[in-house]
Order: sequence, then C-alpha cells, then structure tokens
Amino acid sequence: GAGVSQSPRYKVAKRGQDVALRCDPISGHVSLFWYQQALGQGPEFLTYFQNEAQLDKSGLPSDRFFAERPEGSVSTLKIQRTQQEDSAVYLCASSLGTLGQETQYFGPGTRLLVL
Amino acid sequence: AQTVTQSQPEMSVQEAETVTLSCTYDTSESDYYLFWYKQPPSRQMILVIRQEAYKQQNATENRFSVNFQKAAKSFSLKISDSQLGDAAMYFCASPGNTPLVFGKGTRLSVIA
Repeated sequence: GAGVSQSPRYKVAKRGQDVALRCDPISGHVSLFWYQQALGQGPEFLTYFQNEAQLDKSGLPSDRFFAERPEGSVSTLKIQRTQQEDSAVYLCASSLGTLGQETQYFGPGTRLLVL
Repeated sequence: AQTVTQSQPEMSVQEAETVTLSCTYDTSESDYYLFWYKQPPSRQMILVIRQEAYKQQNATENRFSVNFQKAAKSFSLKISDSQLGDAAMYFCASPGNTPLVFGKGTRLSVIA
C-alpha cells in the first residue's frame, strides 16, 4: 500500500506569510506525528495525534504553529506569519497503534524556506 | 531533559567491513522500545531495526544488529559487510519527554 505522503515537497515563503503543510498518513494508522528537522540535526517533535485528538503539542515552538487532524486521517500543519527561523524540513510520521511500541513510518518531508 | 546522545557525528567504513554506531539514551520509561532509523541523502527516513527493552536478546535484522545494554542505557548499531547503499545519516531514537526523542545523528560514509 501507499506510504506516508506530504505536500508540497518544497515551499518558499516570504517572511510574514502563512503556510499550510499537508500530511496523508498510511491508511488505517491511528497515530500521526509532526517533526521539525533543521539542517544536519535529528528530527524534533512538534505534536502528536491519536485519531482526531491532539494529545501532545508540547513541541510546537510558538503560538504561530497550529496543527489539526479533523477527521482522524489527513493532517495539516499551519505556520502563521512565518519567520526565517522556521526554515527547516517538516516531517510527518504515522503509526498503526499507540505510541511507544509502534514503529513510526515517515513521509518524505516538506522543505520550507522562509526568505 | 531526557536525551539521546550519538557521540560520533561522522563515521566511515570500507566496503565489506563492519562498523558500530554508538548511542546512549535517558528515559524514565520502564517498558519501552528503541529504534535506529536511516535517512539517505534527500530521501525519507526508514526504520533499520528496533529493540524491545524487556527482551535481553539483541535484535538482528540481516546485516544489522544491536548491542543493547539496558543498565548502561546503551544501544549501539552494528552494520556488517557494509555496502555502498548503507551510506546515510543514522538516527537513534527512544521515548522521552515526547513520544520519540532522536539523537543528532551519525553520518556514515562507505568507501569503495
């Protein structure tokens, strides 16, 4: 079956613009995760959904970042009033069941460049 | 803060040789899984191997194996018979303050 997909793959935004990043998890996967990966670094956790419920958003760096998964499938990460420090690769991952014991399957990422 | 430490930013190995990537972690979980992920250049992250902490037996997946020392909170990855396609960033991950905490990665180069 299809893996995790993300769109767009690349996004260039002017500072101050709003952006929306989409994630399509593997069909039937309950858990969905968003990560931010700076150049040369490991992924850093942003937020986690179990079905449509956002159970953990402790990693969101500011109130400009907002994520939703209204029907428990597709998720959108929105960044308002983008800043240069938001430039990074945003990774989405999904897993079949509850966190901790399930393997997370990653999408290809969205590379965001804020000018 | 609960952290994952990969002390080798870069490693290199000759083709067909063996290399070990180190990782230490710090989790307060009592029952947990540990993961090694591979991220080839400009390609997506894929799982290499995972270890269940309550199992004493080290996980093995073809040429990849782990040396898991629970008391020392150490979880190293051994790659045997290295191949050119093994060249990538390797990330160790464990549960922590967030569902999964990743190390900063080790860049592995394979020399033909």
